Amino acid sequence: QSVLTQPPSASGTPGQRVTISCSGSSSNIGSNTVNWYQQLPGTAPKLLIYSNNQRPSGVPDRFSGSKSGTSASLAISGLQSEDEADYYCAAWDDSLNAFFGTGTKVTVL
Amino acid sequence: QVQLVQSGAEVKKPGASVKVSCKASGYTFTSYGISWVRQAPGQGLEWMGWISAYNGNTNYAQKLQGRVTMTTDTSTSTAYMELRSLRSDDTAVYYCARGGDYGDYDWFDPWGQGTLVTVSS
Repeated sequence: QSVLTQPPSASGTPGQRVTISCSGSSSNIGSNTVNWYQQLPGTAPKLLIYSNNQRPSGVPDRFSGSKSGTSASLAISGLQSEDEADYYCAAWDDSLNAFFGTGTKVTVL
Repeated sequence: QVQLVQSGAEVKKPGASVKVSCKASGYTFTSYGISWVRQAPGQGLEWMGWISAYNGNTNYAQKLQGRVTMTTDTSTSTAYMELRSLRSDDTAVYYCARGGDYGDYDWFDPWGQGTLVTVSS
């Protein structure tokens, strides 16, 4: 059972902005950075955002991350059909274990 | 380019062990740790643990303590994950990923292609 809670689904039409939340606690998000991963159907996950709000090279600037207190958010602006995927937040806990969020399936309508 | 290539699919009986390999290329192997993450069918991601490729230090998920062992072979830039006493709920795709160095490079990037382990009698 994950300690990081995400909404199971989110959706939008092409061009819209979609936001995914990730709720944790003081022992994980509250004291450690948050990373985000994108998993396209049938493929391995891919790093999307690291250290709360940093984009690896090659990730479009349509993707942005933020963190406040014990919660974090991933925003996708200008939604595109190729953004249809599962998205996971992840954070370390003070027990030195890493945890993933429950995952959010993004659908482009 | 940085790449992790994993071994092929495995079918095991309950109670058996499985050992999955992960061969790294495109970077200095000992400069980063290797983490292992699994995903049961239709489920989310579960972190299993981490090993330092520099000195072999490990950090395992509390849930798997005693059943999992992670090792590396620096001569071949290969990491291994062995899981013992397999149960049906260990059926999953197992991924290796570079990173997971807590407090430093603590994200996972890139990931291997995944190895399906099926536990069935």
